[in-house]
Amino acid sequence: KAGVTQTPRYLIKTRGQQVTLSCSPISGHRSVSWYQQTPGQGLQFLFEYFSETQRNKGNFPGRFSGRQFSNSRSEMNVSTLELGDSALYLCASSLVGTGVDEQFFGPGTRLTVL
Amino acid sequence: GENVEQHPSTLSVQEGDSAVIKCTYSDSASNYFPWYKQELGKRPQLIIDIRSNVGEKKDQRIAVTLNKTAKHFSLHITETQPEDSAVYFCAAINFGNEKLTFGTGTRLTIIP
Repeated sequence: KAGVTQTPRYLIKTRGQQVTLSCSPISGHRSVSWYQQTPGQGLQFLFEYFSETQRNKGNFPGRFSGRQFSNSRSEMNVSTLELGDSALYLCASSLVGTGVDEQFFGPGTRLTVL
Repeated sequence: GENVEQHPSTLSVQEGDSAVIKCTYSDSASNYFPWYKQELGKRPQLIIDIRSNVGEKKDQRIAVTLNKTAKHFSLHITETQPEDSAVYFCAAINFGNEKLTFGTGTRLTIIP
């Protein structure tokens, strides 16, 4: 069974631009969560989608948004990029939800904002 | 919201010795506590987890203990090996809100 995949793997943008990251969960998984990983803040929860609905949201500004499609693939969008948005963005999928069953991480998208 | 503190931030142990990483959490409603291992340049991977109705869980050289009263849980690695070198993250979640909160990570180095 293929693992969680994320595209692109690396991305360089400039301040003020917007970016869309994509996550394809493991086949059959309906829950997709997004995390931001930075050296200073560690791993922080962004949001979780289940069956095309945002089920939970972390403490990030409205510039961070996401969506999930009927095939469970998910996208994350960041608008008006700031230097502090430079980070590794990880998505993770599970069958039903974190805590209920094991969550598997993707390789991440490394975003650099110049 | 939940706050998870993790100590130490770095840990070096001699190969073959044991390593212990400790985490405390603030939300008494948290009921699931996973531990992740992240090797350099790789994705986090679940290595062990514990639920609030269990006090201890073991899987070969790895064990996790949970003290609900004190709101802390610990990862124990025995007979450490060089491949145990990585960053370890603890986390806590309340099934009700499913927002996984991570500790700040511990960089474990095994000295051959």
